[in-house]
Amino acid sequence: DIQMTQSPSTLSASVGDRVTVLCRASQSISTWLAWYQQQPGKAPKLLIYKASSLESGVPSRFSGSGSGTEFTLTISSLQPDDFATYYCQQYNTYPYTFGQGTKLEIK
Amino acid sequence: EAQLVESGGGLVQPGGSLRLSCAASEFTFITSSMTWVRQAPEKGLEWVSSISDSGRTYYADSVQGRFTTSRDNSNNMVYLQMSSVRVEDTAIYYCARERSSGLEPWGQGTLVTVSS
Repeated sequence: DIQMTQSPSTLSASVGDRVTVLCRASQSISTWLAWYQQQPGKAPKLLIYKASSLESGVPSRFSGSGSGTEFTLTISSLQPDDFATYYCQQYNTYPYTFGQGTKLEIK
Repeated sequence: EAQLVESGGGLVQPGGSLRLSCAASEFTFITSSMTWVRQAPEKGLEWVSSISDSGRTYYADSVQGRFTTSRDNSNNMVYLQMSSVRVEDTAIYYCARERSSGLEPWGQGTLVTVSS
């Protein structure tokens, strides 16, 4: 199985900050990577697919990059609504696997 | 707008069975692969199972042999039959449409609690 490792597990930041979350795959997944945002008590929401494509309706302050085994999610200028938990997910091979999550907290 | 609605969750004793349902609307269900993902209390997301448009199924090792995913294309439904459930199966279960662009949309989730 492909293991997905996110870092950091928790990230403290302020409104207006630029933040980056890292996701590493245990083997190459090309660009078959998605990023999701989950607000407390809500279902996850797709932000980025194919590593760097922005899902329709998602603000342009979100961006993704990477290929192979290393990927990043960047939020260019944090807004109050962005404080949530973020997950990466590989969909290159079954079993699909998620990273453990990164909780973005208000500093 | 594409929508998914899960149902069937509840309290079940260890070793028991439960069937979850997911109703799909506003997208072409018959050509869509579907996925179940679960989230244990205060934990991260765990992929559980997927079913292709042709009915081929895939399972996580943790549920292989105990859970069965099926679909009814006539009624735009996907099911997760859970058997021999364990305390560690306690979670919110989400269904989602699987695309080449990831999982979207997701349902609101249904809570399964395994306890005696």
